[in-house]
Amino acid sequence: NAGVTQTPKFQVLKTGQSMTLQCAQDMNHEYMSWYRQDPGMGLRLIHYSVGAGITDQGEVPNGYNVSRSTTEDFPLRLLSAAPSQTSVYFCASRTSGRSDEQFFGPGTRLTVL
Amino acid sequence: SQQGEEDPQALSIQEGENATMNCSYKTSINNLQWYRQNSGRGLVHLILIRSNEREKHSGRLRVTLDTSKKSSSLLITASRAADTASYFCATGAQGGSEKLVFGKGMKLTVNP
Repeated sequence: NAGVTQTPKFQVLKTGQSMTLQCAQDMNHEYMSWYRQDPGMGLRLIHYSVGAGITDQGEVPNGYNVSRSTTEDFPLRLLSAAPSQTSVYFCASRTSGRSDEQFFGPGTRLTVL
Repeated sequence: SQQGEEDPQALSIQEGENATMNCSYKTSINNLQWYRQNSGRGLVHLILIRSNEREKHSGRLRVTLDTSKKSSSLLITASRAADTASYFCATGAQGGSEKLVFGKGMKLTVNP
């Protein structure tokens, strides 16, 4: 199994541009989530999904959209990038059940100029 | 907002020594987890302890949970240089919440 994969690894955007961060998992996990990690802030939850067709907001959802059309994929869209969205983004997945072990992808380092 | 707070924020020890990290949290939990992050990598799950458990072991790791004090500790025994990483605690709330809430993390440096 590849586990959780994320693309791209690095990305530089200009303010106002849009892009999609890709996340896929091959473990048939129902639950997927997106976090951002900023220095001194730990990980903050952006959006999460408990299954195909079901998404919900986390702690810092503004400026981001998600959809979950399949169990495997959970893309994160930046609608109009801002410098405040410069961060490292992690996708994670786990089986259903309350807050059990999450498996993380390697991350995408995004810089918005 | 962060639920867990790791303490200390940074710890530097010699190889072979034990490392103890503490985590305090604010609300009732279903479980508490510890994760490790090597520089430039994603997080890796280390150990999970449920709210009805007091202590758990996994290899050189020992985690304790005191729900009355809303705190947990992670002990790494006989540390190795490869244990150098950032460590995060994360809490799963009671009441069926699907979310994990992470602390800000602490940096462990093990000097050879």
